[in-house]
Amino acid sequence: ETGVTQTPRHLVMGMTNKKSLKCEQHLGHNAMYWYKQSAKKPLELMFVYNFKEQTENNSVPSRFSPECPNSSHLFLHLHTLQPEDSALYLCASSPQGVRYEQYFGPGTRLTVT
Amino acid sequence: QKEVEQDPGPLSVPEGAIVSLNCTYSNSAFQYFMWYRQYSRKGPELLMYTYSSGNKEDGRFTAQVDKSSKYISLFIRDSQPSDSATYLCAMVDGGGTSYGKLTFGQGTILTVHP
Repeated sequence: ETGVTQTPRHLVMGMTNKKSLKCEQHLGHNAMYWYKQSAKKPLELMFVYNFKEQTENNSVPSRFSPECPNSSHLFLHLHTLQPEDSALYLCASSPQGVRYEQYFGPGTRLTVT
Repeated sequence: QKEVEQDPGPLSVPEGAIVSLNCTYSNSAFQYFMWYRQYSRKGPELLMYTYSSGNKEDGRFTAQVDKSSKYISLFIRDSQPSDSATYLCAMVDGGGTSYGKLTFGQGTILTVHP
């Protein structure tokens, strides 16, 4: 595997379910990000992890819970979601000290029913 | 007012046309200006970046930044059907952290038809 991978690629879940999204980067980067991409809206930064430490939480509701066990893996735990949370969730990583370049995974298309 | 404004299009052009994509922004702290390209069912990929004002050329692509007007552009010459994608402008400030908190525009959907 190369680059940034995300699983699953598609997820349908009910409002009472608990699920997790997984992201893995094979690039040796130290920063990892979660973004939400909704139709007709810009990419929204959700969380940033730098050297496994959460450095940014962009006022994300607590029903989204990130986890970064090491610099290569990032999870987004989901529980009690709302239909408006349906979106494409993108993971990205960036090399140390490079502010402009982020490498994105293909995303997980989430549908909340 | 949105921090970054980008016309979502869609934009449809014939093959060989010159395409102009634009964004305006309000935050004067932005120092790096990027264009990402996103194909259907894929994540965005960095196409070009520019630091501060000026022009940058890479093959058929030219990026321009005018910080005085808070306006950035991407020009695509001799457009090809393979250029059909969503183009996202993104910006980030100049320092403070070793990672970037990018601010994106809404994206412009471009279709180049043969």
